[in-house]
Amino acid sequence: TQLLEQSPQFLSIQEGENLTVYCNSSSVFSSLQWYRQEPGEGPVLLVTVVTGGEVKKLKRLTFQFGDARKDSSLHITAAQPGDTGLYLCAGAQTSGSRLTFGEGTQLTVNP
Amino acid sequence: NAGVMQNPRHLVRRRGQEARLRCSPVKGHSHVYWYRQLPEEGLKFMVYLQKENIIDESGMPKERFSAEFPKEGPSILRIQQVVRGDSAAYFCASSPAGGSGQPQHFGDGTRLSIL
Repeated sequence: TQLLEQSPQFLSIQEGENLTVYCNSSSVFSSLQWYRQEPGEGPVLLVTVVTGGEVKKLKRLTFQFGDARKDSSLHITAAQPGDTGLYLCAGAQTSGSRLTFGEGTQLTVNP
Repeated sequence: NAGVMQNPRHLVRRRGQEARLRCSPVKGHSHVYWYRQLPEEGLKFMVYLQKENIIDESGMPKERFSAEFPKEGPSILRIQQVVRGDSAAYFCASSPAGGSGQPQHFGDGTRLSIL
């Protein structure tokens, strides 16, 4: 069974601070997706990374896929209250399409 | 709204009844996935379907649960003889093609409550 571990599980910071969320596994994934989920809604896709070492930027969000494709990180610069939400990483196996999700990081950005 | 549409958003059933959850994928997407999110747990894969075919059902409980994606119409997740443990949020996702690099776009889910 492939598992994805996210850390930290909870994160509460002040507006303007920077933060990093980690997603780690002992297994190799062919691609990894990051989502953000608000209460009562479905996960919204932020980014897909497919190449080891790949870095993608989305405004103040920077996503990195580890060289060995076993881990990923999400870095947010100058966090804003609108960034509050549950951040999920999800990996896809080499041979299939099913996603394995991490447990999520609940981020709260206080004004 | 061209996104994944799920209905109903909320569904209440009594133990022993049947629950039918519907999912209309993004227009043009022929690949559908169902995931379940139990209270205080992460999303867990259930089944992956392509039009008229079940591709991977390794996450589906062996009994009472079934899924279909007919040539015409939405994908249906069916739960027979529901029990309290079936209470969860059920999410559907779709992608334009299969394969591990395809982004999956999610609907807002159906929240199933069993009385």
